[in-house]
Amino acid sequence: DAGVIQSPRHEVTEMGQEVTLRCKPISGHNSLFWYRQTMMRGLELLIYFNNNVPIDDSGMPEDRFSAKMPNASFSTLKIQPSEPRDSAVYFCASSFFSLAGENTSTDTQYFGPGTRLTVL
Amino acid sequence: GENVEQHPSTLSVQEGDSAVIKCTYSDSASNYFPWYKQELGKRPQLIIDIRSNVGEKKDQRIAVTLNKTAKHFSLHITETQPEDSAVYFCAASKRGVWRYGGSQGNLIFGKGTKLSVKP
Repeated sequence: DAGVIQSPRHEVTEMGQEVTLRCKPISGHNSLFWYRQTMMRGLELLIYFNNNVPIDDSGMPEDRFSAKMPNASFSTLKIQPSEPRDSAVYFCASSFFSLAGENTSTDTQYFGPGTRLTVL
Repeated sequence: GENVEQHPSTLSVQEGDSAVIKCTYSDSASNYFPWYKQELGKRPQLIIDIRSNVGEKKDQRIAVTLNKTAKHFSLHITETQPEDSAVYFCAASKRGVWRYGGSQGNLIFGKGTKLSVKP
C-alpha cells in the first residue's frame, strides 16, 4: 500500500495567488481529514469528509479556503487568494471509520507526508 | 467541544531514563485516545492507542494509561533511546454516532511535547 499521497510536497507562491493542494487517501478508507500545522497553533483540523461528504468544516479559517472530495480517491484543498499567514504544513489523513464495535482499530488516522506551503 | 491539554511542552531526559507525558480531556464522551510521534520534517505516525474500555496498554517500551474518572491519559516510555527524540501528540475523539453527523470521529490534538533524549 502506498499510503496517503499528497502533492505537491513543497509549494512556494506569491500573495494573492491560488493554491491547490491534492490528496489521495489509502484505498478503501472512507474518511479523509485536512490538517494545518504551524509552530504557533499546532495541529489544527480544517475539514473532514466521510464517504466523500463534508462532515465538519468548522476549522476552515475563512472563505478563502475550500475543500472538495469528488470521489473516494481524491480530495483538494484550495486557497484563493493566498496570504503569507497561510504558510504552514498541510497534512491530509485518512481512516476507515466503522461502527463495527468498540474494540476495533478501524478509525486509526494515517497521515500523508504533508505539503509545505510558503506564501511570500 | 472537546479540548485536550498536554504537558509538559518540552521534556529532556537522559538515555535510559523513563519519560512520561500527560494529557487531559474535557468531553467525558470521548472514547478513543491515540498517541502520535512526529520526527522533524516528517508526518505524525501512530505509536499506540487506547480505548475507553481499557485502563492500560503496553507495546514493548511504550505504555499508555487511561483514567476515565479523572479524564486524563498518559504516555510512558521506558529505557529511552536517542531515536525516541521527537514531538509527541496526544489526541481524543468519540466514535459510534457517525450516522448523526457532527464532529464525532475526528481527533482533537494536544499541542505536543518535544522530547529530547540525551546520549
